[in-house]
Amino acid sequence: AQTVTQSQPEMSVQEAETVTLSCTYDTSESDYYLFWYKQPPSRQMILVIRQEAYKQQNATENRFSVNFQKAAKSFSLKISDSQLGDAAMYFCAYRSTQGGSEKLVFGKGTKLTVNP
Amino acid sequence: DAMVIQNPRYQVTQFGKPVTLSCSQTLNHNVMYWYQQKSSQAPKLLFHYYDKDFNNEADTPDNFQSRRPNTSFCFLDIRSPGLGDAAMYLCATSSEGWVDGYTFGSGTRLTVV
Repeated sequence: AQTVTQSQPEMSVQEAETVTLSCTYDTSESDYYLFWYKQPPSRQMILVIRQEAYKQQNATENRFSVNFQKAAKSFSLKISDSQLGDAAMYFCAYRSTQGGSEKLVFGKGTKLTVNP
Repeated sequence: DAMVIQNPRYQVTQFGKPVTLSCSQTLNHNVMYWYQQKSSQAPKLLFHYYDKDFNNEADTPDNFQSRRPNTSFCFLDIRSPGLGDAAMYLCATSSEGWVDGYTFGSGTRLTVV
């Protein structure tokens, strides 16, 4: 079964600085999707960025970018020019197609604090 | 705006007293999921509906049931809640062949007393 590991339970960053959140995963599949989700306190989880495994180019969305290392099974999220509104739990997720059902497998999350 | 709505946001129930959580969506997505999220743990998939087809995860306790009477609504029933069932319950939707991930509701925080 696929697993997703986020080794940083908590991270902090100064406003306007850059922070990188780590994620590793384990899978035997060759084609899959990876996602980063953001969950602000008491608010719904929203998609930040996604990466297709067959694409070598790293995905970017404005201030958010990923470093996808397929061979190392690593998928880190870089947040540039951090803003107070970036404070949230961040979950890395793997899209599994195992068993014929499409479902997301999540890591335990990283709590990001942004200091003014 | 199209969205996924979960009611209630907070639910307190007594130990052993059946409770139902609800989820509705205006996205017309054919897949609906229920996740259990405990503090400092990864969200854990309980089950999902692919249209009317129910898919239960192997390790989901029998205490948890679900109903999907139509495309828009999905319910999570906990027949006899225990203290260990206290958690955030997340509903999510997706469409067939999705690549953009799920759309989540805001969750229901369940407390068992």
